[in-house]
Amino acid sequence: DAAVTQKPRYLIKMKGQEAEMKCIPEKGHTAVFWYQQKQSKELKFLIYFQNQQPLDQIDMVKERFSAVCPSSSLCSLGIRTCEAEDSALYLCSSSPLGGRQDTQYFGPGTRLLVL
Amino acid sequence: GDSVTQTEGPVTLSEGTSLTVNCSYETKQYPTLFWYVQYPGEGPQLLFKVPKANEKGSNRGFEATYNKEATSFHLQKASVQESDSAVYYCALSDRGSSGNKLIFGIGTLLSVKP
Repeated sequence: DAAVTQKPRYLIKMKGQEAEMKCIPEKGHTAVFWYQQKQSKELKFLIYFQNQQPLDQIDMVKERFSAVCPSSSLCSLGIRTCEAEDSALYLCSSSPLGGRQDTQYFGPGTRLLVL
Repeated sequence: GDSVTQTEGPVTLSEGTSLTVNCSYETKQYPTLFWYVQYPGEGPQLLFKVPKANEKGSNRGFEATYNKEATSFHLQKASVQESDSAVYYCALSDRGSSGNKLIFGIGTLLSVKP
């Protein structure tokens, strides 16, 4: 079975602090995605990596987040200055090739609470 | 841009009754359509996917037909069980500047009573 790992599972930060969360994609997968999910609603796409290179991201990520995949087995998503609106579940997924028909396999997420 | 609209929940059913979760989509592309299911404390997991128009996907008694003319992908199950209680997401693959991110609907919370 696919197994995407995310750490930590829970993260509490004060407004203005920096936050970092990590993702270990499924072995052999070349595409990694990050999504934000607020209050169990729809998942919002944040950023996409192919072979560790960021190829697509929304403006919010460019402005306030930092995301890297230093190796094929580790990616991280950071928030430079946390705001209350950043409280959400951050989900990482990976897929074999990033293709249109590929299944994305999701980790359990990191739940961030900003106080 | 691309979008997905699905039945807003929560939906509460008794065991053994039938389920329909409506899903409609807008896109100028030729997407693959997905149904994902999310249980408490877990990430979404694939229920099934359909890459081609007019084909049907199914898994665990759930099914949906990719209707390109009606731009719909409604989820159905003839007889739900308590273990089906979860949040169901309709999604499409969107080919952006590169790669294929998923565009999700708002999710439908299903609660099945014994």
